[in-house]
Amino acid sequence: QSALTQPPSASGSPGQSVTISCTGTSSDVGGYNYVSWYQQHPGKAPKLIIYDVTKRPSGVPDRFSGSKSGNTASLTVSGLQAEDEADYYCGSYAGSNLGVFGGGTKLTVL
Amino acid sequence: EVQLVESGGASVQPGGSLRLSCAASGFALSGYSMNWVRQAPGKGLESISYISSSSYTTYYADSVKGRFTISRDNAKNSLFLQMNSLRDEDTAVYYCVRDLRGDCGGGSCYLGFWGQGTLVTVSS
Repeated sequence: QSALTQPPSASGSPGQSVTISCTGTSSDVGGYNYVSWYQQHPGKAPKLIIYDVTKRPSGVPDRFSGSKSGNTASLTVSGLQAEDEADYYCGSYAGSNLGVFGGGTKLTVL
Repeated sequence: EVQLVESGGASVQPGGSLRLSCAASGFALSGYSMNWVRQAPGKGLESISYISSSSYTTYYADSVKGRFTISRDNAKNSLFLQMNSLRDEDTAVYYCVRDLRGDCGGGSCYLGFWGQGTLVTVSS
């Protein structure tokens, strides 16, 4: 069982927006502003797309945005595109440099 | 261009040992903390080990503590993972991962650059 809770699936049509939640506790998500999100396409390595709750690494489209409220972090993908279909994992600092992950959400573009 | 290339994955019997290597290029390994992250078939991500840039600090997940050892050779731009007493549940793709910004600590660690992974299969 993963430390952080994500819905197993999410979906949206091209051009729409979809939000994926990531729920933790005051010992991880709620206690620090050190939340990250990773995108993983089938058979590929994960890719960091959000860090420090809201920041995007260089090259990540601004269609991807992050936020946090209390113990729940969220990833919003706006203007959905076919290539956004992937698994998405949230991560958080939890007191050690290893961090913890959510169980992952499979995003389907309808 | 940052590149991380893992090697050493193989099929091994329970109780056996393996040593994974990660060759880094495109940056100076000495300036970054490094990690090993694994993913069991069809499952999610698990961060299993961290090492600071100077090797002074290491962390291990409870699932591998006492069996796995992380190390690095900055002069050779290489990261290693010695895996002993392997179990069925260690079967996974193992990724070598560089921190996003440098030698991180206190929460600012992010898995910024990933290798392509190497498959470890533990089965009798």
